[in-house]
Amino acid sequence: EPEVTQTPSHQVTQMGQEVILRCVPISNHLYFYWYRQILGQKVEFLVSFYNNEISEKSEIFDDQFSVERPDGSNFTLKIRSTKLEDSAMYFCASLALAGGTDTQYFGPGTRLTVL
Amino acid sequence: GQNIDQPTEMTATEGAIVQINCTYQTSGFNGLFWYQQHAGEAPTFLSYNVLDGLEEKGRFSSFLSRSKGYSYLLLKELQMKDSASYLCAVYYGGSQGNLIFGKGTKLSVKP
Repeated sequence: EPEVTQTPSHQVTQMGQEVILRCVPISNHLYFYWYRQILGQKVEFLVSFYNNEISEKSEIFDDQFSVERPDGSNFTLKIRSTKLEDSAMYFCASLALAGGTDTQYFGPGTRLTVL
Repeated sequence: GQNIDQPTEMTATEGAIVQINCTYQTSGFNGLFWYQQHAGEAPTFLSYNVLDGLEEKGRFSSFLSRSKGYSYLLLKELQMKDSASYLCAVYYGGSQGNLIFGKGTKLSVKP
């Protein structure tokens, strides 16, 4: 069964450093998402991406964040200058089509630890 | 604002039935998802309701009342492996189907 994959599974970085989290969505999906989940808290929407541009972003997704689909398979989330409060699980999700007739499939997540 | 409420924790006995409730107040509504999340893992899809009524899928059923802003997830014949967090998420449409999640209900199944 096709699945969303994410790398790395765990990333440890120093405050102020840049990180890039990578995702490979399911191959025929068209809509891509990043969510984050701080330990013990709820899953929070960050950004959605379609047709090579951001569709929607939350207030969490400030200028320190960016997303890119550099080729036909990868979808990346970059954090330019990490802060301690960026420590969280980051989940990528993909969707075949919008309109409420399909579901978002989540990747296994990347645990980001900022020291 | 967007608000989704679920109980924080529940405990049930193996073999029993448990109902996890979710109430929501969102600026838009195109459907409601239930996801299961084991500790440290990704949410996995359980069910999706867009119309009022009950959707049954094996041991899991989900109910929706749009007029009341209410849903529940019913788990039957509980197994130890059902111990997990259960996330209620509203698909409010936005531009491309963004999900708003509740905080999740941590279910502990005891022998």
